[in-house]
Amino acid sequence: AQSVTQPDIHITVSEGASLELRCNYSYGATPYLFWYVQSPGQGLQLLLKYFSGDTLVQGIKGFEAEFKRSQSSFNLRKPSVHWSDAAEYFCAVGARAAGNKLTFGGGTRVLVKP
Amino acid sequence: ETGVTQTPRHLVMGMTNKKSLKCEQHLGHNAMYWYKQSAKKPLELMFVYSLEERVENNSVPSRFSPECPNSSHLFLHLHTLQPEDSALYLCASSQDRPVTDTQYFGPGTRLTVL
Repeated sequence: AQSVTQPDIHITVSEGASLELRCNYSYGATPYLFWYVQSPGQGLQLLLKYFSGDTLVQGIKGFEAEFKRSQSSFNLRKPSVHWSDAAEYFCAVGARAAGNKLTFGGGTRVLVKP
Repeated sequence: ETGVTQTPRHLVMGMTNKKSLKCEQHLGHNAMYWYKQSAKKPLELMFVYSLEERVENNSVPSRFSPECPNSSHLFLHLHTLQPEDSALYLCASSQDRPVTDTQYFGPGTRLTVL
């Protein structure tokens, strides 16, 4: 069975500072990996996804993520955080062999200090 | 309207009430999903419909009854709920069933069961 762990429940970062959110997955083969963001009162929005190829993927809103097979990780980064990045971030893993289901991590809530 | 809409946005109901949640997608997608987002628990997939046919029921109690009358509309009928069913219920849609198709989420219905 596939699973996702986001070790950090909360992260506080100053505006303009860099941000890195951790995601570790468990799956036997190479999974499909996703990062979603949920702003207050909103549904989830896809930031980026990785299926294959270049292990560094670019997404919307200036985010990027790097797939590291050896570490079973798919960490999300942003070089300079804006106040509008305050939200909850979810990593997810999916696989066709696992019934085409997305399995989500518990989420990381990001607070941005002025 | 564009995207995925959900009504109502907030719902308070007693354990003996019957209510329905509505989801509508304006994206021309063929697959629709219901998720449950509880505090302190990862997002849980409840039901999946593909071309108006239910293809996934993730061991959801029978007090939750989904209905998909056409590819644009999805309902979740609720009856005799329990307080632990209080959660944010999210609807999503994707072009088709494969997990590689991006899921687009609505803003959710915040349900409180008294």
